Amino acid sequence: SAVISQKPSRDICQRGTSLTIQCQVDSQVTMMFWYRQQPGQSLTLIATANQGSEATYESGFVIDKFPISRPNLTFSTLTVSNMSPEDSSIYLCSVALDQGNTIYFGEGSWLTVV
Amino acid sequence: GENVEQHPSTLSVQEGDSAVIKCTYSDSASNYFPWYKQELGKGPQLIIDIRSNVGEKKDQRIAVTLNKTAKHFSLHITETQPEDSAVYFCAARFSGSARQLTFGSGTQLTVLP
Repeated sequence: SAVISQKPSRDICQRGTSLTIQCQVDSQVTMMFWYRQQPGQSLTLIATANQGSEATYESGFVIDKFPISRPNLTFSTLTVSNMSPEDSSIYLCSVALDQGNTIYFGEGSWLTVV
Repeated sequence: GENVEQHPSTLSVQEGDSAVIKCTYSDSASNYFPWYKQELGKGPQLIIDIRSNVGEKKDQRIAVTLNKTAKHFSLHITETQPEDSAVYFCAARFSGSARQLTFGSGTQLTVLP
C-alpha cells in the first residue's frame, strides 16, 4: 500500500473563496485521482491527475471550478474555486498501485462552506 | 453509462452473526471489484478485492464472491464484531476506463453487541 497524506484534513470556508487541497504520496505513482463524497453519499470521480499534462475531468466537473496540478509523481493539488454551500463535501485523493491494479485512498479533506 | 447497484443500504446484525452485502454491475467486461470500509471521519480503506478471473477470495473473516454470468459480487463478513460497524462500498472498474472506479451507494453496517 502507500501512505497518502492530505492537507487540510478539515476546513470551514467562506462562500466565494477558493481552497487548495494538497495530496502527498510516499512513493512515486503514475495515476492519481480526485474524488468527491457529498454528505451521506457515495464517491464520485472528479478527475484523473496526469503528471506533465492537464487533468482529465469527468462529466459534470470542469477545470475552471476544480483546477488540478500534478507537478511530479508524488504530489497533486485540487483547488475548489468560488465555493458555495453545495461544495461542502469530503474531497479524497487516491492512487493506483500494483501496476495500476489497486486503488488506495487518503483520509480525505472535509470542507464546509458557510 | 456504467452503473453499480448496492444492497441493502442499511444492515443490522447481532454480534457473531454473518453479514452479506451484494452489488450488481452493468458492464460485463468489468475486470476488478474492490470493497472499501469507511469509518466515521476517515477515508475509505481497501479491505478485499477480486479480479474477473477468480470466483472467490477469502481473508480471515472476510470473503468476496463473484458471479460473472449474473454480473454480481458479494461481500461476506463472518463472526461480526462491533468494530465491523462502518459504511461499506463496493466498486467496479469498467472496461476502457483508465483505472478509475465506479462506486456503489454504500451500506451502513451496524453490529449490535
